Amino acid sequence: AQSVTQPDIHITVSEGASLELRCNYSYGATPYLFWYVQSPGQGLQLLLKYFSGDTLVQGIKGFEAEFKRSQSSFNLRKPSVHWSDAAEYFCAVGAQGAQKLVFGQGTRLTINP
Amino acid sequence: GAGVSQSPSNKVTEKGKDVELRCDPISGHTALYWYRQRLGQGLEFLIYFQGNSAPDKSGLPSDRFSAERTGESVSTLTIQRTQQEDSAVYLCASSQRTTYEQYFGPGTRLTVT
Repeated sequence: AQSVTQPDIHITVSEGASLELRCNYSYGATPYLFWYVQSPGQGLQLLLKYFSGDTLVQGIKGFEAEFKRSQSSFNLRKPSVHWSDAAEYFCAVGAQGAQKLVFGQGTRLTINP
Repeated sequence: GAGVSQSPSNKVTEKGKDVELRCDPISGHTALYWYRQRLGQGLEFLIYFQGNSAPDKSGLPSDRFSAERTGESVSTLTIQRTQQEDSAVYLCASSQRTTYEQYFGPGTRLTVT
């Protein structure tokens, strides 16, 4: 069965600093990988996805993520965070042929001014 | 275009009562999903509909939970004899058959008193 681990429950960074949110997954084959963001009181918005091909994927709002098969990881990065990036971030994995997603527990991002 | 909509946005109910939650998917999206998000936690898959195929009910936590969908339109999630542990945000998502990109609604916050 698939599983997703986001080791960091809460991260605080200063505005303008770089960001990396960790995600590790467990799945026997090549997974479909996603990062979603959830702002307070709002639904989830897709930031980026990886299905195949180039292992470095670009998303919206200046985010990128890198798929590393050897480490079973799909970490999310941003070179310079903005106060508006404060939110909850969820990593999710989907299996080929099975459309339901398995989500990690989420990482809450706080931005210091 | 219109996104996924859910109603009501908030629902407070007494323990033991039945509740119905509604989801309107994006027009043309054949797949529809229900997830539950407990406070401070990730999303738990509940049920998945794809066109006229039999739904994947593998995530429903008990027989008090059921869902229906007519064709490729509206879905309702019903919780019978609600319990306090049912308190959560219930999120609906839809996607096109050919992609795994799920678009989420704003959710229904259910509080069982």
